[in-house]
Amino acid sequence: DVKVTQSSRYLVKRTGEKVFLECVQDMDHENMFWYRQDPGLGLRLIYFSYDVKMKEKGDIPEGYSVSREKKERFSLILESASTNQTSMYLCASLSRDRGYNEQFFGPGTRLTVL
Amino acid sequence: TQLLEQSPQFLSIQEGENLTVYCNSSSVFSSLQWYRQEPGEGPVLLVTVVTGGEVKKLKRLTFQFGDARKDSSLHITAAQPGDTGLYLCAGNNQGGKLIFGQGTELSVKP
Repeated sequence: DVKVTQSSRYLVKRTGEKVFLECVQDMDHENMFWYRQDPGLGLRLIYFSYDVKMKEKGDIPEGYSVSREKKERFSLILESASTNQTSMYLCASLSRDRGYNEQFFGPGTRLTVL
Repeated sequence: TQLLEQSPQFLSIQEGENLTVYCNSSSVFSSLQWYRQEPGEGPVLLVTVVTGGEVKKLKRLTFQFGDARKDSSLHITAAQPGDTGLYLCAGNNQGGKLIFGQGTELSVKP
């Protein structure tokens, strides 16, 4: 089974702090994704990565950056957290093991910015 | 821009009732996934449908992919309180990115 883990389930930060959200997958997948989920807005793609050191902007990259130094780890960085970044953050890893694309999600990080 | 319209957004039913959730798009998807998400948790993959017209069953859940691979449905027979949760459909484009529906919040009351 694919296992995607996220470093924290709950996080409380103050406005202006630098925030790191970590995601690790154990299946040697090349593609990884960061989403945020908000009531009424659904899941929105922030950034994704096709390989180590490669990153692509998603639909809402403003205020975020990412790092992919190792294949198994994809980090989301909030350079200067703001209250409008309070959200549920979800990491996903893409499998093609069955001949088609399937994304598997981590348990999520509920971030509150005060 | 690819869009996936999911309906209904909210559904509250009694235990034992049947229900159907729909996902519709004007775009063709290479495959489509259904997820179930509980509060405070990440989405859990239920099924992936790949072939037009495909039907997959998971106990009391039946998933169908439209012939043209533009729409899909999830039917639950004899719903139980344990089925309560947020159901998400997501279409795969060729690049591996997912296009998500808005989700259906299902509440099954005992």
